[in-house]
Amino acid sequence: NAGVMQNPRHLVRRRGQEARLRCSPMKGHSHVYWYRQLPEEGLKFMVYLQKENIIDESGMPKERFSAEFPKEGPSILRIQQVVRGDSAAYFCASSPGQPDTQYFGPGTRLTVL
Amino acid sequence: GENVEQHPSTLSVQEGDSAVIKCTYSDSASNYFPWYKQELGKGPQLIIDIRSNVGEKKDQRIAVTLNKTAKHFSLHITETQPEDSAVYFCAASLKSGGSNYKLTFGKGTLLTVNP
Repeated sequence: NAGVMQNPRHLVRRRGQEARLRCSPMKGHSHVYWYRQLPEEGLKFMVYLQKENIIDESGMPKERFSAEFPKEGPSILRIQQVVRGDSAAYFCASSPGQPDTQYFGPGTRLTVL
Repeated sequence: GENVEQHPSTLSVQEGDSAVIKCTYSDSASNYFPWYKQELGKGPQLIIDIRSNVGEKKDQRIAVTLNKTAKHFSLHITETQPEDSAVYFCAASLKSGGSNYKLTFGKGTLLTVNP
């Protein structure tokens, strides 16, 4: 049973470009969560999605960030017009029907030049 | 919102010794407390979790204790091995809409086990 998949593992963008991060949950999981980890910090909750629904986006910056989890395909975290402060590791987690236990993917490390 | 403090930030032990990492939380309504291990370049891996209706949980060399009155919980690793070296994160969450989904993490403890 494959775990949570994220791609790309590393992403380099110049200021002003767009970053798209993808997350495929574990088989049978329909709940997806995105977290951001700054250097030497713990993970910070960003958004919680179920298929075609955003349940809680209270941790998302108000501008430039968006997330989706379509009926088919992976969940996407999109960052428009990236700035250097967006450089971080972005982790996706998924859970089955009862979302108490979250299983994390390997993360995408975004570097903004 | 919830706030989780974790100590120590770094911990170095000799192989075979025990390691203890402590966390405190601020919101007394929190009722789910997982611990994650993160190796370099990898995602966090759940190693053990505890809910507020129990005071202790054990899984082989790993145990977690919870003191709801004092709002703190601890990870205990016995007979440490070099492969236990990693960053350990505690987290807390409270039920919202019927489920615990918003994990609030501590800043992590870098554990080094010296052979």
